Amino acid sequence: EPEVTQTPSHQVTQMGQEVILRCVPISNHLYFYWYRQILGQKVEFLVSFYNNEISEKSEIFDDQFSVERPDGSNFTLKIRSTKLEDSAMYFCASIGAVVGRVAQPQHFGDGTRLSIL
Amino acid sequence: DAKTTQPPSMDCAEGRAANLPCNHSTISGNEYVYWYRQIHSQGPQYIIHGLKNNETNEMASLIITEDRKSSTLILPHATLRDTAVYYCIVLARGGYQKVTFGTGTKLQVIP
Repeated sequence: EPEVTQTPSHQVTQMGQEVILRCVPISNHLYFYWYRQILGQKVEFLVSFYNNEISEKSEIFDDQFSVERPDGSNFTLKIRSTKLEDSAMYFCASIGAVVGRVAQPQHFGDGTRLSIL
Repeated sequence: DAKTTQPPSMDCAEGRAANLPCNHSTISGNEYVYWYRQIHSQGPQYIIHGLKNNETNEMASLIITEDRKSSTLILPHATLRDTAVYYCIVLARGGYQKVTFGTGTKLQVIP
């Protein structure tokens, strides 16, 4: 079964440094998402992306964050200047096109654990 | 999106059916009920979804009441690998909206 894959599985970065988290969504999917989960807390929505532009973003997704789909397969999340509170699991998700009136589920990757020192 | 209410935790004996309830009394006509689970340190995993009819797939069954105000996820023969947090989520048709995760139900399958 097709999967959403994320790399790296664990990223350790010094505070203030830039970090790029990478995701390969399921082939032919059209809608892409980033979520994060701080240890012991709920999974939180960050941003959704469709047709090469952001369709929705949360309050967490401030100017330090950006997303890009640089080619036909990758979807990236960049944090420009990391802070200690950015330490979390980051999950990528994707969803395909609606077929008729059938709802589609989001498929999630297994995440990147980001540790800011 | 309609709000959902789930018990914070449940236990189930291995091999028995696990029945996880969810209340969604404010669900509207075009909203689907989705179930996801999160096994420790992994990404949320889609399980099943439905609109008003009962649904079954290789993982689970979903029973939705006639008034659609509540539903039950059934894992017919729970295994230790089913220990996870289970989330009941309501989304409009298409499912493109952000998924808003609550605290879910922590299911512990006991040997």
